[in-house]
Amino acid sequence: GNSVTQMEGPVTLSEEAFLTINCTYTATGYPSLFWYVQYPGEGLQLLLKATKADDKGSNKGFEATYRKETTSFHLEKGSVQVSDSAVYFCALSDGGAGSYQLTFGKGTKLSVIP
Amino acid sequence: DTEVTQTPKHLVMGMTNKKSLKCEQHMGHRAMYWYKQKAKKPPELMFVYSYEKLSINESVPSRFSPECPNSSLLNLHLHALQPEDSALYLCASSQGHSGTQETQYFGPGTRLLVL
Repeated sequence: GNSVTQMEGPVTLSEEAFLTINCTYTATGYPSLFWYVQYPGEGLQLLLKATKADDKGSNKGFEATYRKETTSFHLEKGSVQVSDSAVYFCALSDGGAGSYQLTFGKGTKLSVIP
Repeated sequence: DTEVTQTPKHLVMGMTNKKSLKCEQHMGHRAMYWYKQKAKKPPELMFVYSYEKLSINESVPSRFSPECPNSSLLNLHLHALQPEDSALYLCASSQGHSGTQETQYFGPGTRLLVL
């Protein structure tokens, strides 16, 4: 079956620090990969996605590259802000016939301190 | 526009109450989902509707009853809930093209407390 493994937090960084949140996956076929962000007290927002190998998703200064050879989709940002404090979920969808299911990682809580 | 709306934002109910959660999207999506999320956990899939038909029920207790009146609306009817059902309930939607990798867009959620 499909699975997503992401680094467990919490991760605490100072403002303007570099962020990496690791995510690796196991899937049959060629999944699409996603990063969702959940701010405190809110629902999930799609942060970025990639649908095929070597694609780079980017949004709001965050980037992640779909690496098929290492089955990874690590999230990076060059300079984090206090407003980036949230829980980040890595997820995959393999889109098999009749399947719309997302497989989520356990989430990584990021706290950015001034 | 990738907006999914949910009402109410917060709900407190007793174990004998009947209440409903509502979800709406106007993106022309034909797949809609209900998820349950407990604190510090990822969302867990409950139900999937595809073209207004229930296609996935993840062994959810019958005290949760989904309904899809039309392609834009999704309801979750609640009856005789237990305190352990307290959680954030998330609605999501996607285009609904079977066999392709779908992007799901989530609403803000309804935070439910069962007393």
